[in-house]
Amino acid sequence: GAVVSQHPSRVICKSGTSVKIECRSLDFQATTMFWYRQFPKKSLMLMATSNEGSKATYEQGVEKDKFLINHASLTLSTLTVTSAHPEDSSFYICSVSGRADTQYFGPGTRLTVL
Amino acid sequence: GENVEQHPSTLSVQEGDSAVIKCTYSDSASNYFPWYKQELGKGPQLIIDIRSNVGEKKDQRIAVTLNKTAKHFSLHITETQPEDSAVYFCAASIGGAQKLVFGQGTRLTINP
Repeated sequence: GAVVSQHPSRVICKSGTSVKIECRSLDFQATTMFWYRQFPKKSLMLMATSNEGSKATYEQGVEKDKFLINHASLTLSTLTVTSAHPEDSSFYICSVSGRADTQYFGPGTRLTVL
Repeated sequence: GENVEQHPSTLSVQEGDSAVIKCTYSDSASNYFPWYKQELGKGPQLIIDIRSNVGEKKDQRIAVTLNKTAKHFSLHITETQPEDSAVYFCAASIGGAQKLVFGQGTRLTINP
């Protein structure tokens, strides 16, 4: 399967600041990347789908102005949490997909907003 | 929209025994069903998947069965080992699209 990295693995920030999370596909050209968030002991919730060179498609209830997604190349997508607040604290995970349905996940980024 | 129900939420088995986790889905157009293993603090790892044109798939100690008529699929782990302890998630594709809907997860504990 594809090798996916995320950076940073952990980040702590103050309320009101913005945080950028990178997702890289190291050995796979990902036409589609997905961003999920996961609360403790809960399932994965899809936030948005991004296709290379296109605007991201956000799931219902996810604020696109708060969670900015950029998919500039076939190997890199970024998620920026703008004006973060404590309720944004979560585990953010990206996944990559080629032409088939299979999704390969990154290791996740734990965001803590103080 | 698609809804995936997963049972049980927790499962504890003796090392060497088998473990079975079951999922049901609602969208008859779903055609792809992966299973992921997630260890604490890590991202989900794909362990096996099945497509709607197949009824069963096996990979060493892991097998998945699919019943399209009943809209349910199951994960079977045989000869369980302590390293199998993790949270397992089933998922179903949304109407044949690339998006996935996940089940609630099953915390599997293998007792030595």
